[in-house]
Amino acid sequence: QVHLVESGGNLVKPGGSLRLSCAASGFTFSDFYMSWIRQAPGTGLEWVAYISSRGDTVYYSDSVKGRFTISRDYATNSVYLQMNSLRAEDTAVYHCASGHDSGYFDYWGQGALLTVSS
Amino acid sequence: ETVMTQSQDTLSASPGERATLSCRASHSVNFDLAWYQQKPGQAPRLLIYGASTRATGIPARFSGSGSGTKFTLTISSLQSEDFAVYFCQQYNNWPLTFGGGTKVEIK
Repeated sequence: QVHLVESGGNLVKPGGSLRLSCAASGFTFSDFYMSWIRQAPGTGLEWVAYISSRGDTVYYSDSVKGRFTISRDYATNSVYLQMNSLRAEDTAVYHCASGHDSGYFDYWGQGALLTVSS
Repeated sequence: ETVMTQSQDTLSASPGERATLSCRASHSVNFDLAWYQQKPGQAPRLLIYGASTRATGIPARFSGSGSGTKFTLTISSLQSEDFAVYFCQQYNNWPLTFGGGTKVEIK
């Protein structure tokens, strides 16, 4: 059974940093691209970052480009999101999601809550 | 950026009724359109990809149609477990974008 479990969510002050982790199991990690997708309270979904199955291609939304970095570790079947220069508008539940074909997402995690507030 | 618009914020329907949800793209995404279902406190679940292909394990009462800029998700006969929020997503171009969601609630 597929599991994506996020961790690392916390309360952070504006300008601070945080790293989210996502542990994957139940599928062949190296065959899947991974993304982080966030959902601000009471709102819709916003794609944030993508890393290819081989880890050689990454994309970011304009809202986080230059501040966030996505990476993956094949030894531990994990994907990470390093978030720097955090802003109040980054407050959201961050979902880890995986897919194997074209850009939609077969599997999602429950999410980790990031709150950016002074 | 391709803007995805789900014009119905809320759709009220009774169990057993047919529900039709719409999603429009600001420019053509061909057939590169997925639908997800999300229940409170849960992760989204993939329902449809390629505009009309049901994901593994999704009941036949869910169907998708459309291409280009206009798409539809139809639930042929609403079951109690179908009352949820539904999102569309285009994956034809970067950045990947989602619609704002349609909440299907019990009438």
